[in-house]
Amino acid sequence: GDSVTQMEGPVTLSEEACLTINCTYTATGYPSLFWYVQYPGEGLQLLLKATKADDKGSNKGFEATYRKETTSFHLEKGSVQVSDSAVYFCALSNRDDKIIFGKGTRLHILP
Amino acid sequence: IAGITQAPTSQILAAGRRMTLRCTQDMRHNAMYWYRQDLGLGLRLIHYSNTAGTTGKGEVPDGYSVSRANTDDFPLTLASAVPSQTSVYFCASSTGRGGFNEQFFGPGTRLTVL
Repeated sequence: GDSVTQMEGPVTLSEEACLTINCTYTATGYPSLFWYVQYPGEGLQLLLKATKADDKGSNKGFEATYRKETTSFHLEKGSVQVSDSAVYFCALSNRDDKIIFGKGTRLHILP
Repeated sequence: IAGITQAPTSQILAAGRRMTLRCTQDMRHNAMYWYRQDLGLGLRLIHYSNTAGTTGKGEVPDGYSVSRANTDDFPLTLASAVPSQTSVYFCASSTGRGGFNEQFFGPGTRLTVL
């Protein structure tokens, strides 16, 4: 069945460092891909998404490109801030509207 | 309000007791979902509903039941709670127009079963 694999955390970086969180997927057909973010004590919220190959999703300085040839959707940011500390979930959605989530990567940004 | 609300925010429950977690959305979304979030396991789908009047089982449905009497409400019931149901529960909704749609999440209910 469909699945999502993302790098295990926690990831700890200093402020202004570059971030990459790896995500790969297994799916039939052409799923949509998402990154969700969960700030402490809150529910998940959509960070960005891409619906077809080579699409780039972007929001709040984060980017991810839908790479069908490598079945990947890595999350990147050029300069992280303390306020980016959160748990990040890679996810995919296929035709049936259900979303398959990765296990999440906790990110700590040190001032 | 705009979005999804859940109640209660947190609850401590004795094993064997019955508990209903409430979820209400005001976005007129067709599809609704219940997840549980456990450390190291991510989010796992418990039950879902594609439209009012229909429900389906997710990945971990045992010990839980749901109903969808109308578009807005999607309560989750634990008939006889057990300690393994200690978790954070999230309700979500989406437009449900046939796939590829983002889900909107509530703030969660933290449940502890002793």
